[in-house]
Amino acid sequence: ETGVTQSPTHLIKTRGQQVTLRCSSQSGHNTVSWYQQALGQGPQFIFQYYREEENGRGNFPPRFSGLQFPNYSSELNVNALELDDSALYLCASSLAGAVEAFFGQGTRLTVV
Amino acid sequence: QQQVKQSPQSLIVQKGGIPIINCAYENTAFDYFPWYQQFPGKGPALLIAIRPDVSEKKEGRFTISFNKSAKQFSLHIMDSQPGDSATYFCAATGANNLFFGTGTRLTVIP
Repeated sequence: ETGVTQSPTHLIKTRGQQVTLRCSSQSGHNTVSWYQQALGQGPQFIFQYYREEENGRGNFPPRFSGLQFPNYSSELNVNALELDDSALYLCASSLAGAVEAFFGQGTRLTVV
Repeated sequence: QQQVKQSPQSLIVQKGGIPIINCAYENTAFDYFPWYQQFPGKGPALLIAIRPDVSEKKEGRFTISFNKSAKQFSLHIMDSQPGDSATYFCAATGANNLFFGTGTRLTVIP
């Protein structure tokens, strides 16, 4: 088991609503990345945070935003939820410059 | 556009068999190639990884073979066990991003 924890584990939201997902990185890890994993697909990179700044972004619209806090924990915010946002959202932490990334168990988001 | 292509989509082997999962990439800037194992309801777990200057890496029953000129790499699972039944993802690292393949669902029959 990695030290990356995510909350909540499951969430149901209505189309148009906003959601906030949380991630606590593994002890000592200062870089957090977020991924979206649709059913039956591989994870897709949303963005990465390092030193509280966005440090790379995948092909996701601006309604996907994030934060990183001084203790390296992170939030993913999604506004104006759409049905296609239903997925498993994964957080991964790593040390800056290191290639190994360790994933949390994910948050299963269902948009109805 | 899929940066890392993975096959097969699913694989069924008998216990003790050697499943092989193949991946291919185009971007020569990729510099690290990990494999992840994912069980239902869990996040991906790092299994084994290789750098492009190495042609083979073994860790326990898991072996990565890497062909830099062909831009291909594969995972072999020796003496597969029912507990190995999971979805396996290859990935490649570049630009602070992990690019994943589409996954292979492996079933090992007792």
